[in-house]
Amino acid sequence: AQKVTQAQTEISVVEKEDVTLDCVYETRDTTYYLFWYKQPPSGELVFLIRRNSFDEQNEISGRYSWNFQKSTSSFNFTITASQVVDSAVYFCALSEAWSGGGADGLTFGKGTHLIIQP
Amino acid sequence: EAGVTQFPSHSVIEKGQTVTLRCDPISGHDNLYWYRRVMGKEIKFLLHFVKESKQDESGMPNNRFLAERTGGTYSTLKVQPAELEDSGVYFCASSQEGGPYEQYFGPGTRLTVT
Repeated sequence: AQKVTQAQTEISVVEKEDVTLDCVYETRDTTYYLFWYKQPPSGELVFLIRRNSFDEQNEISGRYSWNFQKSTSSFNFTITASQVVDSAVYFCALSEAWSGGGADGLTFGKGTHLIIQP
Repeated sequence: EAGVTQFPSHSVIEKGQTVTLRCDPISGHDNLYWYRRVMGKEIKFLLHFVKESKQDESGMPNNRFLAERTGGTYSTLKVQPAELEDSGVYFCASSQEGGPYEQYFGPGTRLTVT
């Protein structure tokens, strides 16, 4: 069975600080996909990034960066120079491949509520 | 391009009544997923359609839930009869054929069973 753990329930930082959201996953599959989604106060889930299990290259997109380490089964998310608009609940998710070539439904972590104070 | 849409945005019904939720995926997306978030719990997968076929319905909680996707376009999720524990937010997501492409989520339907 697959599992995603986001141990940080809530994080509060002051604007412009850097913050890292942790994500640890469990899966028996050798091929799987990892995701991060953002849920702002408005409630919709916004896709941020997808990572394939065979691609451990870290990624940077503006102030966002992701660190994928298969050795520790972690897929952490760092926001540099945080801004108030980054305040949201962030979900890490995992899906396994299915025979049709796509991805199964996502297994979500419980989410981390990030509060950026001005 | 229009995103995933869901209707209604909010529904309040009494225990024992029936409710039907609708999801319109992004045009051309063959994969359609339903999820649910019950208060205080994580978002849980319910089922996955590929076109009009159910690829995986392992997350459906019981036979009071019926999902359909006639014609491989929009999907409906019917709860009959609704119970108090069915309250939560129901999300729909869609993704392109094949993949593994990212799933784009709708705004959700908040269901309250009283």
